[in-house]
Amino acid sequence: DQQVKQNSPSLSVQEGRISILNCDYTNSMFDYFLWYKKYPAEGPTFLISISSIKDKNEDGRFTVFLNKSAKHLSLHIVPSQPGDSAVYFCAASGGSQGNLIFGKGTKLSVKP
Amino acid sequence: DTAVSQTPKYLVTQMGNDKSIKCEQNLGHDTMYWYKQDSKKFLKIMFSYNNKELIINETVPNRFSPKSPDKAHLNLHINSLELGDSAVYFCASSEAYYGYTFGSGTRLTVV
Repeated sequence: DQQVKQNSPSLSVQEGRISILNCDYTNSMFDYFLWYKKYPAEGPTFLISISSIKDKNEDGRFTVFLNKSAKHLSLHIVPSQPGDSAVYFCAASGGSQGNLIFGKGTKLSVKP
Repeated sequence: DTAVSQTPKYLVTQMGNDKSIKCEQNLGHDTMYWYKQDSKKFLKIMFSYNNKELIINETVPNRFSPKSPDKAHLNLHINSLELGDSAVYFCASSEAYYGYTFGSGTRLTVV
């Protein structure tokens, strides 16, 4: 039973354009959401997060949007750079879940 | 100076063997975790320890036994390895549930 879903396994974007990665969740008790970035042969690294009391959080080129009514969040990367090519994991926590629940990841390829 | 370090990075072993993966964190975090990334790419929590005490033990076979000698270390011992245990195992630590730092992973291959 997937509580955090990333339905797009891969995304290809041209350098300089916007990358939009999507994530859906089913557990309404989740109150904290994170995005992690993972390069091959490395562990996931924290990228950006958002609390359920907000609907947007911005950090440089990265913005996360949260739509609680739709149980949906998205990560926008503008402008995309080749170094952004990685697997991006959406994660959520809250309620009885004391640990992070991860989605399956979306592999982003940014082409020069 | 690596914040969360796991050893070994790669582990190839035969079915039926017993193996251990070690994890150490120098961040002073109270909580450590083991996650498994299987062939379907899901990152699934296996265990969580807070200050050497087990607080999460998801449904994993009892062939998997975590050991935390102190709050900076969380080792994973696996008995009677099976083909299905092949995966990448990630150790992580956190001060709060949202501040995870991951190790670089241990790729276990059971042949």
